[in-house]
Amino acid sequence: GAVVSQHPSRVICKSGTSVKIECRSLDFQATTMFWYRQFPKQSLMLMATSNEGSKATYEQGVEKDKFLINHASLTLSTLTVTSAHPEDSSFYICSASPRRAGRGEQYFGPGTRLTVT
Amino acid sequence: GENVEQHPSTLSVQEGDSAVIKCTYSDSASNYFPWYKQELGKRPQLIIDIRSNVGEKKDQRIAVTLNKTAKHFSLHITETQPEDSAVYFCAASDSNYQLIWGAGTKLIIKP
Repeated sequence: GAVVSQHPSRVICKSGTSVKIECRSLDFQATTMFWYRQFPKQSLMLMATSNEGSKATYEQGVEKDKFLINHASLTLSTLTVTSAHPEDSSFYICSASPRRAGRGEQYFGPGTRLTVT
Repeated sequence: GENVEQHPSTLSVQEGDSAVIKCTYSDSASNYFPWYKQELGKRPQLIIDIRSNVGEKKDQRIAVTLNKTAKHFSLHITETQPEDSAVYFCAASDSNYQLIWGAGTKLIIKP
C-alpha cells in the first residue's frame, strides 16, 4: 500500500517552454500533497503544500506564478513549471500524505528529473 | 519555526558494525519523527518513524530512539550491510503534516 506515481520520470525541454508533472496516489486518498525539489547532494527543499480543492501554500522564495500547482482530486496533483529556464533544472519529487487523522507520514513519488536547455 | 539538525554529514562504518545518526529539533510541538533512506537518483523511502508518545521503536536491524526532553532522536542500524549504503534523512513534523528535514547523512558501508 501507499504507492505514489509521478510522470514523467525524465523531461528535457527548451528554455521558455512549460512542463507539467503529475503526481498520483494510487492506492490511497491524499488530502495533502507536497512538492519538493532536490539539487545534487542536498536535502529536499519543500516548494509548496497542496490540499485537495484549495490553493497551494508556497514556501518563501518560491514563485507561485512560475510553479503552478493544482490539486483537483484526492489522488492527483500537478506541478507546472512555466517558462522554464536552465536554473530550473532539478529533481522534482512529490509526496502524498494518507487521509488518516493524526498521522503524518509522507510517501514519495519516484521523482522527475527536469533538464532545461 | 522548526529547525532540524542532523549529524554527521558523512558516516563510514565497517560492514557488520553499527551506525548511529543523530538529529535534534527545536519545536517542542513536533510529535512525529520519520527517517527516510534515499539511494542515488531514487525516491526517499520511509524506513522507520516514531511518535512523541514513544521512546524507542525497533524494526529488525533498525531502531529509533527519541528523547523529548533533550529534543533529539537517533537512528541506529546494527549489523550493517552493503545495501545499507545510502543517504539517510531525519525529519520532524507537527499535526500540520509538513516535514522539516535534516540535511542528510551519507552512510558508507566498507566491505
